[in-house]
Amino acid sequence: DAGVIQSPRHEVTEMGQEVTLRCKPISGHDYLFWYRQTMMRGLELLIYFNNNVPIDDSGMPEDRFSAKMPNASFSTLKIQPSEPRDSAVYFCASSPFRGGAYNEQFFGPGTRLTVL
Amino acid sequence: AQTVTQSQPEMSVQEAETVTLSCTYDTSESDYYLFWYKQPPSRQMILVIRQEAYKQQNATENRFSVNFQKAAKSFSLKISDSQLGDAAMYFCAYRSPYNAGNNRKLIWGLGTSLAVNP
Repeated sequence: DAGVIQSPRHEVTEMGQEVTLRCKPISGHDYLFWYRQTMMRGLELLIYFNNNVPIDDSGMPEDRFSAKMPNASFSTLKIQPSEPRDSAVYFCASSPFRGGAYNEQFFGPGTRLTVL
Repeated sequence: AQTVTQSQPEMSVQEAETVTLSCTYDTSESDYYLFWYKQPPSRQMILVIRQEAYKQQNATENRFSVNFQKAAKSFSLKISDSQLGDAAMYFCAYRSPYNAGNNRKLIWGLGTSLAVNP
């Protein structure tokens, strides 16, 4: 399996621009997670989906952030408009569902976002 | 709410030596899952080892082992025969049991940066 795929790997944009991050989870995984990592705040869960349905978006910082999962093999995280404080590494992770088992999360390589 | 604490922001170890990274957590649940993830400079998050709380036996994966003390709510990671490739950030994480609400979320510690000296 190719693992979780994220694109782009790096994104540099100017304040006010729209940014779209993309994720392809591991085939057959039921859960998809979006994280943000910064030095100040560590690893933060933004939102996660189960079978394409958002389950918990309490970590989404504000209305400028939105996430969608139109099908089982694709998800996007959009920031509009972007601000310098959004600069971070954004990770996508996916997890299978096996009742009672570990169901660990498998991470993508991350997207390093820089907002100037 | 559950919390995870890694009290050592930075650690270092000599190559071939053994190092232990600390992790404590707070929970009222009796069954749960614990994980250690490694994040090398490439930033790829990699699962190192995992433990289910009801299992008394400490998990082991090659040179990596844990010391799971349920009563003390402690889950330390021991790396034996440290190698240069072990240099990374190490994160401890907690997950609620299968039958708990919102049980897919991982609760993360802030990480420990491990340096391996040649």
